[in-house]
Amino acid sequence: KAGVTQTPRYLIKTRGQQVTLSCSPISGHRSVSWYQQTPGQGLQFLFEYFSETQRNKGNFPGRFSGRQFSNSRSEMNVSTLELGDSALYLCASSLAWSDTEAFFGQGTRLTVV
Amino acid sequence: GNSVTQMEGPVTLSEEAFLTINCTYTATGYPSLFWYVQYPGEGLQLLLKATKADDKGSNKGFEATYRKETTSFHLEKGSVQVSDSAVYFCALTSGSGNTGKLIFGQGTTLQVKP
Repeated sequence: KAGVTQTPRYLIKTRGQQVTLSCSPISGHRSVSWYQQTPGQGLQFLFEYFSETQRNKGNFPGRFSGRQFSNSRSEMNVSTLELGDSALYLCASSLAWSDTEAFFGQGTRLTVV
Repeated sequence: GNSVTQMEGPVTLSEEAFLTINCTYTATGYPSLFWYVQYPGEGLQLLLKATKADDKGSNKGFEATYRKETTSFHLEKGSVQVSDSAVYFCALTSGSGNTGKLIFGQGTTLQVKP
């Protein structure tokens, strides 16, 4: 079956702009989480969604937001981009929020210039 | 709060050498423990997991045992191959059942030379 699909794979944006990233989970999976990966901070948790509800949120400013749709697809949005937002954004899906196995997409590489 | 500490890399080994990557954790309750691997330009792949104390996770020749007494989950492989070159992440979830949030270590880069 198809894995977790993230689009786009690569993105270049200018400081001050906003960006929307998309994640389609594995069919049947209802939980989606987002992570930011940078060389300095490593992998950091952004959000967790289940059945269109945000269940958990990491320690990121309000410029980072997300949502989940009824088909479990998820989007995250970053407004007023800063240079430090340049990172690999990874999406993970699992059957349910309590499931111990998460499957990751290949990520979206965001570069802010 | 919960945290994961991994040995710093890079770790450079010759093919067929024995691999150990150390991982220790701090957590309340009974976390589930994981090793993920990331190949260049890719996302993370689950390598193995253990959900309770004394469990041994294994996959593709890699093993790790959940040691509650030493709060450790060290990754081992008896004979590494060049294709094992990647970044390895140790991670945990709280295990409380109310979140799937993963907390990762900093990652350890493994380079295997022919």
